[in-house]
Amino acid sequence: GIQVEQSPPDLILQEGANSTLRCNFSDSVNNLQWFHQNPWGQLINLFYIPSGTKQNGRLSATTVATERYSLLYISSSQTTDSGVYFCAGRTGTYKYIFGTGTRLKVLA
Amino acid sequence: DGGITQSPKYLFRKEGQNVTLSCEQNLNHDAMYWYRQDPGQGLRLIYYSQIVNDFQKGDIAEGYSVSREKKESFPLTVTSAQKNPTAFYLCASSIEGLTAPLHFGNGTRLTVT
Repeated sequence: GIQVEQSPPDLILQEGANSTLRCNFSDSVNNLQWFHQNPWGQLINLFYIPSGTKQNGRLSATTVATERYSLLYISSSQTTDSGVYFCAGRTGTYKYIFGTGTRLKVLA
Repeated sequence: DGGITQSPKYLFRKEGQNVTLSCEQNLNHDAMYWYRQDPGQGLRLIYYSQIVNDFQKGDIAEGYSVSREKKESFPLTVTSAQKNPTAFYLCASSIEGLTAPLHFGNGTRLTVT
C-alpha cells in the first residue's frame, strides 16, 4: 500500500521562528490535506491542497503532485501552534492514508 | 452549525463488555469513517462507509463492527474480541467524489480496564 512519510518527526522552536514540514508519498494520491491536532486531540483542517500553493495567515502549503510531496510552512510561530501536524492523502478509493505526524513544540 | 458530533467524549468500560461509540453528522456528507489513534501514533482506518447500508473494512477492522442505517449516523461498536481497545477514536466524513476533503469530529477517548 501507499506509504506516507513525514519529516521531521519532532521539532522544537522558539516563538517567532519559521519552519517547514514535509510530507512524502510513495505513490500518487488524489487529494492531500494538512491537519493540526491540538493538545486536546481535536483535528483541525489546515489545508485541502491537491496541488499548487495556498496561504492562510501565517501558514502556507505547497503540493507538487507530480513529485508526490507537500510542504507546510509555518512563519512567526506561536505557542498555540504546538501540537501534531498530519498530512493525509486519498487513494483511488475513499480510503485516506495518514502520515505518522510531526510533533511541534513552540517555546515562549 | 454543521458539524460532526461524537459522544461521549470519555468512556470507561470493563474488559469483556461491548461498547458503542456514537457519530452523527449534519453536513449531508455521503461518506463516513472511523479511525483509531494510539498515544504518539498516527491514525489508522477501522471502517468506512460510502453510502447508507454499505460499509467496508479498513486496515484494523478486527474486533469492531459498524452499521449505517441512516446517512447522518455511523456508530462504532468495540466488541470484547478487540484485544487492546483502549485508544482515541475519531469519526470523520466527506462528500461524495474524489475531490472531497475530510472533516473530523472531536473524538472519544475509550479506556477499558
